[in-house]
Amino acid sequence: GEDVEQSLFLSVREGDSSVINCTYTDSSSTYLYWYKQEPGAGLQLLTYIFSNMDMKQDQRLTVLLNKKDKHLSLRIADTQTGDSAIYFCAGEEDTGRRALTFGSGTRLQVQP
Amino acid sequence: EAQVTQNPRYLITVTGKKLTVTCSQNMNHEYMSWYRQDPGLGLRQIYYSMNVEVTDKGDVPEGYKVSRKEKRNFPLILESPSPNQTSLYFCASSPGLTGELFFGEGSRLTVL
Repeated sequence: GEDVEQSLFLSVREGDSSVINCTYTDSSSTYLYWYKQEPGAGLQLLTYIFSNMDMKQDQRLTVLLNKKDKHLSLRIADTQTGDSAIYFCAGEEDTGRRALTFGSGTRLQVQP
Repeated sequence: EAQVTQNPRYLITVTGKKLTVTCSQNMNHEYMSWYRQDPGLGLRQIYYSMNVEVTDKGDVPEGYKVSRKEKRNFPLILESPSPNQTSLYFCASSPGLTGELFFGEGSRLTVL
């Protein structure tokens, strides 16, 4: 099955850019996703990228995909304290069961 | 409001006492799934259902059962809970063929 790895923790100052990185093993994933989990809540889909794209921008979010290195990143511009959360990247296995394989999550702490 | 609702949100129980975690979605989604979240492991899929009366095992199905008698409901059953099933459980549903999952708020289960 797929393995997805992320660093566990990132701390930035308010107003700076945050870059959260993820590596994955299964190159057959059609879509790659970024989910956000705020304290005490379920995961919310932030954005996703189709595997034949290199970049996707959505307001303050930029997703970069390097298929050769199997590396996915999420950049948050002008990071705010409200962005403090755990961010999960996920790949979709090509097994027909529509299962996502999640990384262990990166905790983003934004300091005022 | 479109949502996935889980109950109970918190439960402490003892080994061997059968319990059910309910999940209901009001978005008419065909696909539903259960995940467990454990520290350092991300989310792992327990069971999923592509449609009514169609269920199948995910990555970690041992010790769990599910049923899908109606489109909106997908209960998770622990027939004889054990301490290693202490975890945070999430139900999710999906409208289509991609991995855009809508998550419930989670059910924190402790088995003593």
